Amino acid sequence: LAKTTQPISMDSYEGQEVNITCSHNNIATNDYITWYQQFPSQGPRFIIQGYKTKVTNEVASLFIPADRKSSTLSLPRVSLSDTAVYYCLVVPYNNNDMRFGAGTRLTVKP
Amino acid sequence: GAVVSQHPSRVICKSGTSVKIECRSLDFQATTMFWYRQFPKQSLMLMATSNEGSKATYEQGVEKDKFLINHASLTLSTLTVTSAHPEDSSFYICSAREDTWGQGNSYEQYFGPGTRLTVT
Repeated sequence: LAKTTQPISMDSYEGQEVNITCSHNNIATNDYITWYQQFPSQGPRFIIQGYKTKVTNEVASLFIPADRKSSTLSLPRVSLSDTAVYYCLVVPYNNNDMRFGAGTRLTVKP
Repeated sequence: GAVVSQHPSRVICKSGTSVKIECRSLDFQATTMFWYRQFPKQSLMLMATSNEGSKATYEQGVEKDKFLINHASLTLSTLTVTSAHPEDSSFYICSAREDTWGQGNSYEQYFGPGTRLTVT
């Protein structure tokens, strides 16, 4: 299983763009990169998933370089409500083995 | 998106008693459900994988006789913490995988809101 490494914590201010990078050097050919958000005392919430290049949805963008050994979650113009823990997961295509790393605790300040 | 519910949302029980937590997929069928445990300020730890109609697969270090998992239907999985002790106090989260077969295979996974268990 590919192990992921992310910064333990990050601080930002309202309105700024936040980029959280995740390293996954041992990613396998069939693995996808998935990001989840978790607020205290709640279950994780899916943010975005990608395989290569760039994926964008209404809440975030995911940048994946050609070698796929890392990925960057980009949150545009964060607000206080984006304060949460963000998890990067590398999962097989069938999502049959989702293991969470330590995650990145993002604090957005006013 | 699909919704996964858990019941109860929080429970307090006395040491030595058993507690059952339900996980339901509300608008889809889930062949596979997963159970996680999360201690304060820590990440989610996968406890077991539950497949409908068969025995659950437990992760190393998780006692299968203490954490009984039943996945009797495609929309319901239950986790029973038997003879609970204070160290079992934790946040238990389930997730359900929706298997969609058609033009493209999809394995979306959805998480429940979690159950806070406190053992006194």
